[in-house]
Amino acid sequence: QVQLQESGPGLVKPSETLSLICTVSSGSIRGYYYWSWIRQPPGKELEWIGYSYYSGTVNYNPSLKSRVTISVDPSKSQFSLQLSSVIAADTAVYYCARRSPKENYFDFWGQGILVTVSS
Amino acid sequence: DIQMTQSPSTLSVSVGDRVTITCRASQSISSWLAWYQQKPGKAPNLLIYQASSLETGVPSRFSGSGSGTEFSLTISSLQPDDFATYYCQQYNSYPLTFGGGTKVEIK
Repeated sequence: QVQLQESGPGLVKPSETLSLICTVSSGSIRGYYYWSWIRQPPGKELEWIGYSYYSGTVNYNPSLKSRVTISVDPSKSQFSLQLSSVIAADTAVYYCARRSPKENYFDFWGQGILVTVSS
Repeated sequence: DIQMTQSPSTLSVSVGDRVTITCRASQSISSWLAWYQQKPGKAPNLLIYQASSLETGVPSRFSGSGSGTEFSLTISSLQPDDFATYYCQQYNSYPLTFGGGTKVEIK
């Protein structure tokens, strides 16, 4: 079954851009899936960031829309997250996930990566 | 945004107990609700979608019910592997939102 793995720096300075990559294996990144990012600040609930179809169609959480870019690179079987102008409140475990082909829930998740925003 | 409120926030139970967790939406979401289980340091795992459909591979002791604004997740007989935090998620409208979680702990 499909596996997802996040990678990227665990520490980002305030005002800089957070950049993460999710590598998809044992399954195609093409097809009827949307590739998603979800985050969880320490001790808090999950927050949907957004998702992208492999063709480039995207949908973002309005609360983050002005700072977020999600893109898919089918040639590398990867998708990425960029979050600009980060602040301490962006400190969280970031998960990549696959949206189900049927409906807007998430059927496969990566293990998550902790990103701390600090100088 | 649709707010999802779970109760209780913590549940202290014993192996073999019947457990019910409630999730309330701030407006009607029809049956567009999913439930996830999350263990410490791990990613959430999908249990239920469309309020009552069991995901493939999930034990039948898990069940979901409800529609509109009131939903519940029931574990018929709690097993040691079930001690975890449970989250609901609505997907009736954007932005997709999650509940605050219910931690099921050992009494």
